Amino acid sequence: DSGVTQTPKHLITATGQRVTLRCSPRSGDLSVYWYQQSLDQGLQFLIQYYNGEERAKGNILERFSAQQFPDLHSELNLSSLELGDSALYFCASSVRGSTDTQYFGPGTRLTVL
Amino acid sequence: ILNVEQSPQSLHVQEGDSTNFTCSFPSSNFYALHWYRWETAKSPEALFVMTLNGDEKKKGRISATLNTKEGYSYLYIKGSQPEDSATYLCAFFTWMDSSYKLIFGSGTRLLVRP
Repeated sequence: DSGVTQTPKHLITATGQRVTLRCSPRSGDLSVYWYQQSLDQGLQFLIQYYNGEERAKGNILERFSAQQFPDLHSELNLSSLELGDSALYFCASSVRGSTDTQYFGPGTRLTVL
Repeated sequence: ILNVEQSPQSLHVQEGDSTNFTCSFPSSNFYALHWYRWETAKSPEALFVMTLNGDEKKKGRISATLNTKEGYSYLYIKGSQPEDSATYLCAFFTWMDSSYKLIFGSGTRLLVRP
């Protein structure tokens, strides 16, 4: 158990809908990272937040957005969902930034029908 | 376009064999290189964070080296065991276009036969 929690574990929804994925980092960690793993694809970095501020941005679509709240939990919002958004979404946390070990949560599996 | 390449793509070895993989990354604007171990149906697990040229890290039978000047890192597994079977990922942290970037390689899939 890494100490990073993600909810929900599974999510099934329809095209065009909007969903919110939630992540609680390890106690004391200030950075949260979001990743996407699509079928037959590697791990894609989406975005990083550090202490409430956006720190790094990867291949995140404009339909996706994220934020980190004062209690340091983070939410990833996915809107106008398409079939291709079906994937495993991981959250990870680290103490600060790029030179710190990242601890991954169990992931949220999103299925868009 | 930033590219992080891992080789080989997959590797099948016998129990007891030692093996190594390569992660190649751009040699400029280096911040850090992360190695992960990713078992099927599980979450990635951090192995090493490498930050300095010449870094060498070790955890049990697994070790890694870093050469930032030429842009590569090696991961070594000594005496492979079936439980080492997993995908090994590297991730390159850099600064580009006024922001941090994190780019993953596509991984090396290791299968260790008993």
